[in-house]
Amino acid sequence: NAGVMQNPRHLVRRRGQEARLRCSPMKGHSHVYWYRQLPEEGLKFMVYLQKENIIDESGMPKERFSAEFPKEGPSILRIQQVVRGDSAAYFCASSSAGQGIYEQYFGPGTRLTVT
Amino acid sequence: SQKIEQNSEALNIQEGKTATLTCNYTNYSPAYLQWYRQDPGRGPVFLLLIRENEKEKRKERLKVTFDTTLKQSLFHITASQPADSATYLCALEDNYQLIWGAGTKLIIKP
Repeated sequence: NAGVMQNPRHLVRRRGQEARLRCSPMKGHSHVYWYRQLPEEGLKFMVYLQKENIIDESGMPKERFSAEFPKEGPSILRIQQVVRGDSAAYFCASSSAGQGIYEQYFGPGTRLTVT
Repeated sequence: SQKIEQNSEALNIQEGKTATLTCNYTNYSPAYLQWYRQDPGRGPVFLLLIRENEKEKRKERLKVTFDTTLKQSLFHITASQPADSATYLCALEDNYQLIWGAGTKLIIKP
């Protein structure tokens, strides 16, 4: 019973490149959330998706960031033209139903470093 | 303004004692509140969920209380062990979203 999987675990990009982060939710989960965490800081909600739908993207910057959760395959968080301030740990979580009411299961995170 | 606050300073507890962590919130009326544990370099792990009509919830050495009048949740670890050292996050439900506290770092000294 595999948990939430994220890859890559570590990603290094130069300024201006694109970063693509992948998340496979737990089996049977159709709700996916992306969070960002800076060192010594709390989790910041970015986006909440269900299959083929973005439910809430209120925490995601309007420019350069996008997310999708296609019918087949993993959820993708895409950051275009990365800047140094994008360096952080990005966590994906999944749940069996809508957030708040049900617990979330987190992946190990992707640590993005922008040089 | 809406806030969810946890002790920002690390909490140092002697092994065997009870550790108590606090989560206070203002201008929210959550129906659910959750506690998670996060170890360095890892994703948070779900521990307990408590509903607004539940005063207390227990799981092994863990106990959570939820006081909607005080707008506070307390998280207790009894008979604490060095392996309990981690950062503990509270998260409350607000209009079907989860709002996260910044976490409290707990250090259990042998």
